[in-house]
Amino acid sequence: AAGVIQSPRHLIKEKRETATLKCYPIPRHDTVYWYQQGPGQDPQFLISFYEKMQSDKGSIPDRFSAQQFSDYHSELNMSSLELGDSALYFCASSSRVQNTEAFFGQGTRLTVV
Amino acid sequence: DAKTTQPPSMDCAEGRAANLPCNHSTISGNEYVYWYRQIHSQGPQYIIHGLKNNETNEMASLIITEDRKSSTLILPHATLRDTAVYYCIVRVEAGNQFYFGTGTSLTVIP
Repeated sequence: AAGVIQSPRHLIKEKRETATLKCYPIPRHDTVYWYQQGPGQDPQFLISFYEKMQSDKGSIPDRFSAQQFSDYHSELNMSSLELGDSALYFCASSSRVQNTEAFFGQGTRLTVV
Repeated sequence: DAKTTQPPSMDCAEGRAANLPCNHSTISGNEYVYWYRQIHSQGPQYIIHGLKNNETNEMASLIITEDRKSSTLILPHATLRDTAVYYCIVRVEAGNQFYFGTGTSLTVIP
């Protein structure tokens, strides 16, 4: 079965650079979630989208933005990167219509140097 | 934010049942209890969820108290591959967000 695909799997950026993470949800899933997990920490909810509209916002820094496109894939844009942004970034998807649980991708490991 | 409390760590002997408790005393009537696990920095994996009745699937059983203020995830025959961090989450079903708490780090011992 198709799963949530995230790209890239690994990314190295320098301070003050920008980064774009991509998430391709399971087909026919209408909701996408983004999470950040720092070293030794639990996943922190950043933001979610339902039917291409932002539906909820967590602890997402102002330097970050995200959107969901017409094909339902989502991108997390991160600017003015800081060392503290180094983390695993997970995307999850679910279907509100089908009332499914959320399925997670394998994550993108971002390292800021 | 997270509405659950779990013990930080537990050990379980291989082949024995692992019982992971979770307190969610402020759970609302329309919130479900979800369990996920995360194996060494992989993406969290869904295990099971329930509203008020006990639930069972091929991975685990979920026992929810009658007052819904706590629950227990049961892995009936723990294996070494069950070593992971287990998260208990309350969430409106198909809701737009859910928050991870601190989870329980389960170590299955040979």
